[in-house]
Amino acid sequence: IQLTQSPSTVSASVGDRVTITCRASQSISDLLAWYQQKPGKVPKLLIFKASSLESGVPSRFSGSGSGTDFTLTISSLQPDDFATYYCQHQSFGQGTKVDMK
Amino acid sequence: QVQLQESGPRLVKPSQTLSLTCTVSGASIRAGGFYWTWLRQRPGEGLEWIGCIFNSGTTDYNPSLKSRVTISPDTSNNRFSLELKFVTAADTAVYYCASESGAYLGLDSWGQGRLVTVSS
Repeated sequence: IQLTQSPSTVSASVGDRVTITCRASQSISDLLAWYQQKPGKVPKLLIFKASSLESGVPSRFSGSGSGTDFTLTISSLQPDDFATYYCQHQSFGQGTKVDMK
Repeated sequence: QVQLQESGPRLVKPSQTLSLTCTVSGASIRAGGFYWTWLRQRPGEGLEWIGCIFNSGTTDYNPSLKSRVTISPDTSNNRFSLELKFVTAADTAVYYCASESGAYLGLDSWGQGRLVTVSS
């Protein structure tokens, strides 16, 4: 199963609402996770089962979707959120870099 | 809380076998339900799932690497290992071990990663 993320890069400002999409090549029910990775750091689990927030992750992060189409939303971008985000079923999407506008 | 730590050579010669070990604390690798996973990240690239072991010995591998990969348990020492045969420069990467508490529930515990360079 292949995962395709879009966009590859999103340029945004603090306070913006950011949305990243992930499309699966076939239905994966709700079996999708989202990760955040900063340069030189270990990836961090944000969301599992498409919409369940991992313990300790700020509530500005949310996930939605099922089947083949999924979304990660950051409701109000904070300085700590500039990073690369990956979706994963078993394989990973190619990543979406959130950088400063 | 599960903690993981990778160990093994940092430099491997082309055509040889890359061998890494992941030592686990905070959980038993014999415990049902956990998926013990290897991943890698080539310099400047995204994450690549290599494979996993679960139920004390059942394995699942990335089809693109399956012919070269073996993941095996060492239950006596609560570790699991990765072997990748016939390496080339394209296998130079940071290798991570990680775990999830059930199939497709998300990798919630990670090792710190180990950069392995393939070079003569």
